Amino acid sequence: DIQMTQSPSSLSASVGDRVTITCRASQSIDTYLNWYQQKPGKVPKLLIYAASNLQTGVPARFSGSGSGTDFTLTISGLQPEDFGTYYCQQTYSTWTFGQGTKVEIK
Amino acid sequence: QVHLQQWGAGLLKPSETLSLTCAVSGGSFSGHYWNWIRQSPGKGLEWIGDINDSGMTNYNASLKSRVTISVDTSKNQFSLKLKSVTAADTAVYYCVGPMYDSSGSYSGDTWGQGTLVSVSS
Repeated sequence: DIQMTQSPSSLSASVGDRVTITCRASQSIDTYLNWYQQKPGKVPKLLIYAASNLQTGVPARFSGSGSGTDFTLTISGLQPEDFGTYYCQQTYSTWTFGQGTKVEIK
Repeated sequence: QVHLQQWGAGLLKPSETLSLTCAVSGGSFSGHYWNWIRQSPGKGLEWIGDINDSGMTNYNASLKSRVTISVDTSKNQFSLKLKSVTAADTAVYYCVGPMYDSSGSYSGDTWGQGTLVSVSS
């Protein structure tokens, strides 16, 4: 199985901050990488698919980059509604997810 | 736009069999893999397995001995069975499948609404 390692596991940032979450795959996954946001009790919400494509309806402050083994989710200008847990997911082979990054607003 | 609607029993006793079904609407069922994911309380996301319209399956090795995923192409539905459940199988279970845009390019995955399955004696 392909292992996905996210960092950090949690962070606290202020409104307006630039936030970066990284995800590393144990082997190359090309750009078969999605990013999700999940709020408590809710279904995970797709933010970015295929590493860098913004899902329809997702604010442009979210962006994704990377290919191969190293990927980044960036929130440019954190907003109060951006709290939650963020997961990366590889779909290159049988799916695996990162362990999650909990984002809190200071 | 692809929509997934899932259903199944939410309360089980240990040793019983979990059974969930997911109906796919608004998109092509054929030619794609359809997935089951679960999330234990307070935990991360775990892939259970997938199936395509031909019935080819892949399973998470840690669950393989207890899992069966099946498909009914006449109804555009796929199902999950997990036998011999224990409290450790208590989780929200999701069905998940791919979306494609008007040009046929992959545009991410869509999720069912989730079903909380609790296992308790």
